[in-house]
Amino acid sequence: AQTVTQSQPEMSVQEAETVTLSCTYDTSESNYYLFWYKQPPSRQMILVIRQEAYKQQNATENRFSVNFQKAAKSFSLKISDSQLGDTAMYFCAFMKDPTSGGGADGLTFGKGTHLIIQP
Amino acid sequence: DTGVSQDPRHKITKRGQNVTFRCDPISEHNRLYWYRQTLGQGPEFLTYFQNEAQLEKSRLLSDRFSAERPKGSFSTLEIQRTEQGDSAMYLCASSLGTGAQETQYFGPGTRLLVL
Repeated sequence: AQTVTQSQPEMSVQEAETVTLSCTYDTSESNYYLFWYKQPPSRQMILVIRQEAYKQQNATENRFSVNFQKAAKSFSLKISDSQLGDTAMYFCAFMKDPTSGGGADGLTFGKGTHLIIQP
Repeated sequence: DTGVSQDPRHKITKRGQNVTFRCDPISEHNRLYWYRQTLGQGPEFLTYFQNEAQLEKSRLLSDRFSAERPKGSFSTLEIQRTEQGDSAMYLCASSLGTGAQETQYFGPGTRLLVL
């Protein structure tokens, strides 16, 4: 079974600052995907960024980038030039590759980090 | 593409009653997932479908829970004899499910309150 740990229950930064959210995971799988999802207050879960474990290059999406350290099983999210609209719960999630045998188990989520962007 | 939709958005029921939720995935997405999210926690996987076949069920899915996906399109999740501990947000997600396209897109959820 996989586990995902987010050690920062809450973070608060000023608008325009850069913030890094931490995530570590534990798995014996060799092929898997990692995701960061954002859940704004009372709104639905939105994909922020994804990373395939077999890719060494860190994924980037505009102001969002990850630092994927496979050996350390670490997958942090960096948000540059933070904006008020970035205020949300951020969930790190793991999914094993369903094509690698054993079927899919769905996503395993961490407990989330509540990110607050202050004006 | 209108995204994943769920109905109802909110449901209040009395303990012991049965409830049913519906999820309509993004069209042409062949994988459909159900999750449960309690306050202050991340979502927990319940079950998933590949087309109409239910391929995986979590230990969280007790025998009071049943899910179907007839014809491989929409899905329903039924909870029989609801208990107060069933109060949670029930999330549905879908994915194209073709190897590299494993990204799951979530619906708005159904919030269940059992009194």
